[in-house]
Amino acid sequence: GAGVSQTPSNKVTEKGKYVELRCDPISGHTALYWYRQSLGQGPEFLIYFQGTGAADDSGLPNDRFFAVRPEGSVSTLKIQRTERGDSAVYLCASSQGTDTQYFGPGTRLTVL
Amino acid sequence: AQSVTQLDSHVSVSEGTPVLLRCNYSSSYSPSLFWYVQHPNKGLQLLLKYTSAATLVKGINGFEAEFKKSETSFHLTKPSAHMSDAAEYFCVVSDKGFAGGTSYGKLTFGQGTILTVHP
Repeated sequence: GAGVSQTPSNKVTEKGKYVELRCDPISGHTALYWYRQSLGQGPEFLIYFQGTGAADDSGLPNDRFFAVRPEGSVSTLKIQRTERGDSAVYLCASSQGTDTQYFGPGTRLTVL
Repeated sequence: AQSVTQLDSHVSVSEGTPVLLRCNYSSSYSPSLFWYVQHPNKGLQLLLKYTSAATLVKGINGFEAEFKKSETSFHLTKPSAHMSDAAEYFCVVSDKGFAGGTSYGKLTFGQGTILTVHP
């Protein structure tokens, strides 16, 4: 079956610009997570959605980062006024409850 | 707070020899533990998971891991390495949270171990 998909696979932007990263979870999975993987590091938790609501956003680094999941399926991670330090691979995962999280291929964001 | 330490950033083995990737964890209660593998330009793939059943966990592609509570370890092993095993491996602990009316798993990843397999 279809896994988690993320678009775009690569995004290059200039410092100060706004970007949106999209995640399409496995059909029927109610839980959706965003993680960020900086170069040479393991992924770090950003935010968790249960259905349409952001139940835990404690990992978002600052108020330039925001995520939505308006219909309880597709999610968009939004980054305002991008900085060079935001360059990383952004990973999305979905699961059914506390079961195994299945990851997408990620979006590689480069801020010039 | 929970944490994961992968003791080796790089491991190099010859094809056909055993693989050992070491992981120690810290958790305030009985954890769920995972190993994920990441091939270049590919997504994270689950190798195996421990969730308080048998302490020896078998995963895909011949990998297995043993949960040792007394040593707070969850080392990953494979008897015979293949070239296709070359990748980065992450040890992961799950913190069960409760928010929004449901429980969920918040993953904490180790720094990763890059496995190189020589012919």
